[in-house]
Amino acid sequence: QLQLQESGPGLVKPSETLSLTCTVSGGSISSSSYYWGWIRQPPGKGLEWIGSIYYSGSTYYNPSLKSRVTISVDTSKNQFSLKLSSVTAADTAVYYCAVVVTAIPVVWGQGTLVTVSS
Amino acid sequence: EIVLTQSPGTLSLSPGERATLSCRASQSVSSSYLAWYQQKPGQAPRLLIYGASSRATGIPDRFSGSGSGTDFTLTISRLEPEDFAVYYCQQYGSLLTFGGGTKVEIK
Repeated sequence: QLQLQESGPGLVKPSETLSLTCTVSGGSISSSSYYWGWIRQPPGKGLEWIGSIYYSGSTYYNPSLKSRVTISVDTSKNQFSLKLSSVTAADTAVYYCAVVVTAIPVVWGQGTLVTVSS
Repeated sequence: EIVLTQSPGTLSLSPGERATLSCRASQSVSSSYLAWYQQKPGQAPRLLIYGASSRATGIPDRFSGSGSGTDFTLTISRLEPEDFAVYYCQQYGSLLTFGGGTKVEIK
């Protein structure tokens, strides 16, 4: 059974780059059946899709974040990563990684809170 | 971008009652790409329904989904204490988007 775990700093300074990693267990990130995605949720608010990646490296980003987002995959480590540049307080959120099947996030990590503050 | 509008914002019901949650899309959505999630405080969302009406693995049959085009519904036939939570619909067109959520609270 696929399990995902987010990791990375919980505090990032304004204007810096947020970096998170999602480690996949119970299956291969190189599976042709899955995409791998990032979704975030500001405190007390709704869900926002950030982007998704296929094991080959093909990416799909939310246009509202596209200029600041990079998602990459490391098949040797069974991990995929998120980088969000030039962060502001508005980027404070719980960040989730998920396995995406037919454009549906099916299994989610537990989430990690990232706070943007000096 | 397809916008999903969920209503009501909050639903106050008692255990044992029926809950009917609405999700309306600004443009027609393929049923294959419509899903519902349940989220409890401090937890990640859990997939309940995909393809508008198919229950995910392990989801009790008191949860059902229906609808097509621009109008979709999640029904909980008899609310159990563990069902009080926030529910989100989600679609994929050219972009993956979520509705704003409906909170089902204990009356």
